Amino acid sequence: DSGVTQTPKHLITATGQRVTLRCSPRSGDLSVYWYQQSLDQGLQFLIQYYNGEERAKGNILERFSAQQFPDLHSELNLSSLELGDSALYFCASSAPLGTGYGYTFGSGTRLTVV
Amino acid sequence: SQELEQSPQSLIVQEGKNLTINCTSSKTLYGLYWYKQKYGEGLIFLMMLQKGGEEKSHEKITAKLDEKKQQSSLHITASQPSHAGIYLCGAAYYGGSQGNLIFGKGTKLSVKP
Repeated sequence: DSGVTQTPKHLITATGQRVTLRCSPRSGDLSVYWYQQSLDQGLQFLIQYYNGEERAKGNILERFSAQQFPDLHSELNLSSLELGDSALYFCASSAPLGTGYGYTFGSGTRLTVV
Repeated sequence: SQELEQSPQSLIVQEGKNLTINCTSSKTLYGLYWYKQKYGEGLIFLMMLQKGGEEKSHEKITAKLDEKKQQSSLHITASQPSHAGIYLCGAAYYGGSQGNLIFGKGTKLSVKP
């Protein structure tokens, strides 16, 4: 157990639908990152939150949004889903630089859009 | 072009052989992270390198950072079937107090018993 919890582990939904992925960071970590991993694109950074505020945006589609709550858990909302959104979605959290713990990843949510 | 290039893309080695995976950045690195991933599973943190010339080891895996070349190498000694998986390098760049990691495409390692 890495300490980063992602739910659900698997999700199957139809095109056009909306889903919410949830992430609880490792205790004490203030930063949360969302990544998408597909076979052809590899691991792509989507968005980062730090202590409730958006810190950085990557290749995140307008149909996707995220937020980090006061208890530091984060949710990634994916709407108007398309077949191409099928992928593994990872959440990671990080400790302050210099602690040597790096970025800790959750076990991912596998999204299948049919 | 890719900011972070990993080579080789895939590698098949006989059990007991040594191997090296390389990761080269096109920009100045702030930190370089190595992860291992079993297919379809989460990423397992292996090592983090920050200083030029830094070298770290974990069991039979050693990683080095060459600051001049902006390159890191991951070396596995006496490979075992348990080493099989996808190795990913992730780079942190200057420009923020703690930014996101950019990842290479990964190296798929197979170890033949």
